[in-house]
Amino acid sequence: AQTVTQSQPEMSVQEAETVTLSCTYDTSESDYYLFWYKQPPSRQMILVIRQEAYKQQNATENRFSVNFQKAAKSFSLKISDSQLGDAAMYFCAYRSLDTGRRALTFGSGTRLQVQP
Amino acid sequence: DTGVSQDPRHKITKRGQNVTFRCDPISEHNRLYWYRQTLGQGPEFLTYFQNEAQLEKSRLLSDRFSAERPKGSFSTLEIQRTEQGDSAMYLCASSLQSRDRELEQYFGPGTRLTVT
Repeated sequence: AQTVTQSQPEMSVQEAETVTLSCTYDTSESDYYLFWYKQPPSRQMILVIRQEAYKQQNATENRFSVNFQKAAKSFSLKISDSQLGDAAMYFCAYRSLDTGRRALTFGSGTRLQVQP
Repeated sequence: DTGVSQDPRHKITKRGQNVTFRCDPISEHNRLYWYRQTLGQGPEFLTYFQNEAQLEKSRLLSDRFSAERPKGSFSTLEIQRTEQGDSAMYLCASSLQSRDRELEQYFGPGTRLTVT
């Protein structure tokens, strides 16, 4: 079974600064997807960024980018030019390509605070 | 709004009572997932449907839990004889599988269950 570990329960960043959230995972599969989801307080979870394991190029979405290290099974999220609206819980998630296992496996989350 | 909706948003019940939650996915989505999220943790998979077929159930889904998706549209999750340990946020997500590729899961706002 796959596991996802987020070792930083809380992080804080100054507005306009850069912050990196860490995620490691364990799997025996060679192809899979990795995701970062954002869950603002009392609001629904939304997808921030997605990475396909077979792609060596790191995914980027505007101010959000990932550092995907497949051999190390590491998948960190970098948020540049942090904004107050980035304050939320961030969850790293894994999804198998196996047709019988399509559910997401989530880490325990990192709470990001953005200081003005 | 054509996102995933869930009803009710909050439910308080006494131990031993039965509760039922409803999820309406995005209309063209053929996959529907149920997750449970306890305070300070990431969501955990419960079960998922492709159209009306329930394809996978987690070991977390005890025999007190049952889910249905009649006609492949909305889904219901029923918990019988609720226990205090059932208190959690119940999240629904939907996605579209197309051409052997599943696109991202979109989450609803969740139903927060409190068992007293």
